[in-house]
Amino acid sequence: KNQVEQSPQSLIILEGKNCTLQCNYTVSPFSNLRWYKQDTGRGPVSLTIMTFSENTKSNGRYTATLDADTKQSSLHITASQLSDSASYICVVAPRDYKLSFGAGTTVTVRA
Amino acid sequence: NAGVTQTPKFRILKIGQSMTLQCTQDMNHNYMYWYRQDPGMGLKLIYYSVGAGITDKGEVPNGYNVSRSTTEDFPLRLELAAPSQTSVYFCASSYAPGLAYEQYFGPGTRLTVT
Repeated sequence: KNQVEQSPQSLIILEGKNCTLQCNYTVSPFSNLRWYKQDTGRGPVSLTIMTFSENTKSNGRYTATLDADTKQSSLHITASQLSDSASYICVVAPRDYKLSFGAGTTVTVRA
Repeated sequence: NAGVTQTPKFRILKIGQSMTLQCTQDMNHNYMYWYRQDPGMGLKLIYYSVGAGITDKGEVPNGYNVSRSTTEDFPLRLELAAPSQTSVYFCASSYAPGLAYEQYFGPGTRLTVT
């Protein structure tokens, strides 16, 4: 069964600090992976997409990495802002397009 | 451009009641999806549609029905509501399946069945 595990479940950081979220998956064969940001009470919004051949991709202060060999991805948030407080969801697609969603990591940024 | 809209935002149902969750997209996407999101769990696909008149079951279809008479609308019907259907429901749409094309999500409907 295809699975996506995210860690930590939640974290609290001070404004201006960096943090890294982890995503481990068992999806195979692997097609691509997206990180979504979900603000409280809203639907998820895509931050970045990575294909199996990409190692790193940035979107402003968000940088995603992918190691397709170890089936791991990470999302690094640099110089966190209060608006980064949200749930971050890792989604993986095998070649048959049946998406697997992680449970998400809840990030709380405190002033 | 409104994107994906859902109504209602909140609803409380009694056990055994029925309701329809509305979803509309204005991006002319052929693919539309209904998900449910339970606390501490990843989104689960209930039903999806690849175009007007074509729908198919996802992972957790029991207790739900859908229809797709137009490209824009994809309502989700709950018959005989049960407490297990208490959840947040998201509708999404995309140009194509998989992750190569982004799925755009609506704001969600928070449903409580008591």
